Amino acid sequence: GAVVSQHPSRVICKSGTSVKIECRSLDFQATTMFWYRQFPKQSLMLMATSNEGSKATYEQGVEKDKFLINHASLTLSTLTVTSAHPEDSSFYICSAQGQAYPIGATEAFFGQGTRLTVV
Amino acid sequence: AQSVAQPEDQVNVAEGNPLTVKCTYSVSGNPYLFWYVQYPNRGLQFLLKYITGDNLVKGSYGFEAEFNKSQTSFHLKKPSALVSDSALYFCAVRDAYNTDKLIFGTGTRLQVFP
Repeated sequence: GAVVSQHPSRVICKSGTSVKIECRSLDFQATTMFWYRQFPKQSLMLMATSNEGSKATYEQGVEKDKFLINHASLTLSTLTVTSAHPEDSSFYICSAQGQAYPIGATEAFFGQGTRLTVV
Repeated sequence: AQSVAQPEDQVNVAEGNPLTVKCTYSVSGNPYLFWYVQYPNRGLQFLLKYITGDNLVKGSYGFEAEFNKSQTSFHLKKPSALVSDSALYFCAVRDAYNTDKLIFGTGTRLQVFP
């Protein structure tokens, strides 16, 4: 399958600072990238969907000013957690998918995840 | 609205025995169905998908899943479980008419005992 690389895998930051997480599709062009948050022993919560060159679409309840998403190229999307607080500590996962026909039939490929701890 | 249900939080099975992880779905159009596996502190790995065609889909690591339209189910199966299959399994659905989002179930933890 296709490879999606997410970096860093683990980060610890101080409360009030910002953290950037990168998601790269290494061997395909990702027309759409997704950012998820996963709480312990829970399912994935979709935070936002981003398409290359356009603004991200955020799910209800997700603060777009706090979770900045940039999808500047077909192989890179970034999530910046601004002014992080301890409650932002979580496991963040990105996924990427390319175009396929029929639309929506392709599987998404996931990064390894980033464990964010805000102290 | 689209939804996915995984009724079992955990499934326990002895190594060598067959395993089944259940999934039911609800979509307004034709479903695109997926199974993913997650190991601790890792992202999700794709196992298999159903788009159209044969109801029995074969995937990675010896897993297969059967699409049953009348029961709106897509159960994951493997004839002989391995201890290394122990992980968290997620079923997901995408509506053919609303293809932006992949909706995940709550996950089922599979524990295979030696």
